[in-house]
Amino acid sequence: EDQVTQSPEALRLQEGESSSLNCSYTVSGLRGLFWYRQDPGKGPEFLFTLYSAGEEKEKERLKATLTKKESFLHITAPKPEDSATYLCAVRPTGFQKLVFGTGTRLLVSP
Amino acid sequence: EPEVTQTPSHQVTQMGQEVILRCVPISNHLYFYWYRQILGQKVEFLVSFYNNEISEKSEIFDDQFSVERPDGSNFTLKIRSTKLEDSAMYFCASSDKDLIRVHEQFFGPGTRLTVL
Repeated sequence: EDQVTQSPEALRLQEGESSSLNCSYTVSGLRGLFWYRQDPGKGPEFLFTLYSAGEEKEKERLKATLTKKESFLHITAPKPEDSATYLCAVRPTGFQKLVFGTGTRLLVSP
Repeated sequence: EPEVTQTPSHQVTQMGQEVILRCVPISNHLYFYWYRQILGQKVEFLVSFYNNEISEKSEIFDDQFSVERPDGSNFTLKIRSTKLEDSAMYFCASSDKDLIRVHEQFFGPGTRLTVL
């Protein structure tokens, strides 16, 4: 069964304190791995797509990396506005659906 | 920037009533989806729709659910007889057709459905 596990469940950082979020996945075949940001009461906002092991994508303070079993979302020098839940999702080969993890709730304090 | 829109933002209904949730996907997208998120839980896939028919559905998407694209812009989810456990946030999403690369799914802001 396709499964996505994210850790930690919650993370509290001081502004400027860099850290990483983890997404482990088991899937029969990986068509793509996606990172989304979700603010309370809102829909997931697309951040990155990763397709193959070794790939990296960057956007402002965020950098996503992918191995054969996991992905990391690195946050460099975060700001309070980076506070949100970060969701990881996989698209299994042969399917349209996304399989989501439970997310990591990030709180960045000034 | 084009975006997915959903109406209403909040729907309150009595158990056993029918509800229709509406979505306007991004205009040049070809795949449309419904997901739901029960409070505090994962986002779960319900159904995908392509070329005027269901292309994939989950075990959650039983006979109580149906989807329709009544015109060139709207995409709807109907729940025939709502249950308490249908209370959740329902997200519509859309994506372009995969050609060389896999396309990301863009999500709407959601409709919060409360079944009393």
